[in-house]
Amino acid sequence: QKEVEQNSGPLSVPEGAIASLNCTYSDRGSQSFFWYRQYSGKSPELIMFIYSNGDKEDGRFTAQLNKASQYVSLLIRDSQPSDSATYLCAVNEDSSASKIIFGSGTRLSIRP
Amino acid sequence: NAGVTQTPKFRILKIGQSMTLQCAQDMNHNYMYWYRQDPGMGLKLIYYSVGAGITDKGEVPNGYNVSRSTTEDFPLRLELAAPSQTSVYFCASGPSNIQYFGAGTRLSVL
Repeated sequence: QKEVEQNSGPLSVPEGAIASLNCTYSDRGSQSFFWYRQYSGKSPELIMFIYSNGDKEDGRFTAQLNKASQYVSLLIRDSQPSDSATYLCAVNEDSSASKIIFGSGTRLSIRP
Repeated sequence: NAGVTQTPKFRILKIGQSMTLQCAQDMNHNYMYWYRQDPGMGLKLIYYSVGAGITDKGEVPNGYNVSRSTTEDFPLRLELAAPSQTSVYFCASGPSNIQYFGAGTRLSVL
C-alpha cells in the first residue's frame, strides 16, 4: 500500500514567522509532488508542484524535495492569518504518473 | 469560465438506493479524478481517467463505477448506497496530473 504521511497537527505558528510543513512518501519511484491548501468546508486548491530535487520558490511559498530521503516540505514565509488552513501533500504512484495519492493533511493555525 | 462543475451539491440517500454524481469540466482537460473525503481526513482516490474511454481504479473503488464517454464529463455511479459511503466527494480535472477541484458533493446515506 502506497503511503503519503503527514503530521496531522495542529501546527501553531505566530504571525510573521516561517511555517514548515513536512510530508514523507513510501514509493521511491514517485516523480510528481504537490501541495494543496484546503480551507474548512472548501475544496482543495493547488499551491505548488515540484518535480526535481531541490527548492522551488513562488512568492512566500517554497517547496523542497529530497528524493533520496523521500520527503517533501513546504515553507511559508511571513505567515498570515489567512494561511490558516489544512495543507495536503500529494504524490504520484510509481506505476502511474497520473495516479495521485494524498496525505491526510496538516492543520496550520497562524496566531496573531 | 465555469471550471469543474459538480452536481448535486448535497444529497441524502437511503440505504440501497442508487445515484450518479455528475462532474463536468469546460477546460478541455484530459485527466479527471474522483476523490472522497471523510471528516478530518485526507482525500482518497476512487477512480481516475486520462482521457475519453480510459478509466482506472484508485485506492477505494469498491461500491463505485465510472464512465468517460466524452472529454468533458466523468460521472460517478453508486449502485447500492451504504452508510460507509457517507462522505464529501470531489471531482478534479487537469491538463496533466496537476488537479483543479470542483466544489464537492456532500452525500449522506441513512
